[in-house]
Amino acid sequence: DTGVSQNPRHKITKRGQNVTFRCDPISEHNRLYWYRQTLGQGPEFLTYFQNEAQLEKSRLLSDRFSAERPKGSFSTLEIQRTEQGDSAMYLCASRTGGSHSPLHFGNGTRLTVT
Amino acid sequence: DQQVKQNSPSLSVQEGRISILNCDYTNSMFDYFLWYKKYPAEGPTFLISISSIKDKNEDGRFTVFLNKSAKHLSLHIVPSQPGDSAVYFCAASDGAGNNRKLIWGLGTSLAVNP
Repeated sequence: DTGVSQNPRHKITKRGQNVTFRCDPISEHNRLYWYRQTLGQGPEFLTYFQNEAQLEKSRLLSDRFSAERPKGSFSTLEIQRTEQGDSAMYLCASRTGGSHSPLHFGNGTRLTVT
Repeated sequence: DQQVKQNSPSLSVQEGRISILNCDYTNSMFDYFLWYKKYPAEGPTFLISISSIKDKNEDGRFTVFLNKSAKHLSLHIVPSQPGDSAVYFCAASDGAGNNRKLIWGLGTSLAVNP
């Protein structure tokens, strides 16, 4: 399977715990994105990497959130001191560098904070 | 403020007929538009896109029309099939800094009845 891979698919955690999600993009894609989606909404942009450089972060990404892409391949998204409002589907997407290349999404990690 | 609007939350169509999904946008700087399909518990799947320099793009059963003066685009699916039943999202971007982060509508749930 050469699509975008996300792990885990589901994560249930208690409020206040830290969680980390992993994304493996399509191998030749140098651009990687994280989005968050809640029920009845479209995906909301969180952050964007070009290779290993994090070039943009949404103001939705509070200081409890951090994302890395250390070698320009896989990426991790960490949420510290989780809150119930963090419950959502976290989607990773990647694309090539072409201006009009579409985003290809993984199946997401569904986070439930109890 | 929703920059990308899908005003119909749901649509029901008979198998074999045409499905027309509509999308309006407010930002005249948007120059690239995409349609994604989403099944439950999966990430969005890219369907078709259109650049603002075109007014129509066709791919098999899917055609996207863009009316820049009206800031309106539509997705036509013909003939509709039961497997097309999903939530369809319209997304747009302005390519600023080559980020291509997407601004999404809220989605339209399409049901194709056998």
